[in-house]
Amino acid sequence: GEDVEQSLFLSVREGDSSVINCTYTDSSSTYLYWYKQEPGAGLQLLTYIFSNMDMKQDQRLTVLLNKKDKHLSLRIADTQTGDSAIYFCAETSGYSTLTFGKGTMLLVSP
Amino acid sequence: DTGVSQDPRHKITKRGQNVTFRCDPISEHNRLYWYRQTLGQGPEFLTYFQNEAQLEKSRLLSDRFSAERPKGSFSTLEIQRTEQGDSAMYLCASSLGATLDGYTFGSGTRLTVV
Repeated sequence: GEDVEQSLFLSVREGDSSVINCTYTDSSSTYLYWYKQEPGAGLQLLTYIFSNMDMKQDQRLTVLLNKKDKHLSLRIADTQTGDSAIYFCAETSGYSTLTFGKGTMLLVSP
Repeated sequence: DTGVSQDPRHKITKRGQNVTFRCDPISEHNRLYWYRQTLGQGPEFLTYFQNEAQLEKSRLLSDRFSAERPKGSFSTLEIQRTEQGDSAMYLCASSLGATLDGYTFGSGTRLTVV
């Protein structure tokens, strides 16, 4: 079945850039997403990218997609302490259900 | 509209009891999804509705689980004869049509089975 893998933990200092990586196995993935989850809260959609794109920028967020290697990354520029959260990569191929990774915990220290 | 609402936020129940959760989606959204998230894991798909029709169910949704969306608006998820392994965060999400620009998630219901 489909699988989405992420590194579990990333620690950065405030003001640095953060890069969170994700790999997926489903070659028919059409859309790929990044969600953010703060403690005790639901998931907040940050950004998404269509599989025929290789980059998308949205303010401090840059998404890079390497479809050949099935690798997705999220770069957060000028990381702030408020960016500390768990970040989930997700994919869909059927325009209905999403398959999520286990999440990457980002810790931003002052 | 205040987004996707879930009730209750927390539920503690004894093993063997039945529990029911409610989800109120964004009013104009015709699709409603249930996901389950256990500690340290990403959300896992359970089931989804388009209007009142339940279109897909995961194999995770055992016979003890049932979901309804009787009038195509709010939805309920019932778990019968709860087990400790049912302890998780149950997330509801909604969307207008296909998930091309992602869902809107609620804050979830955290179930603890003791």
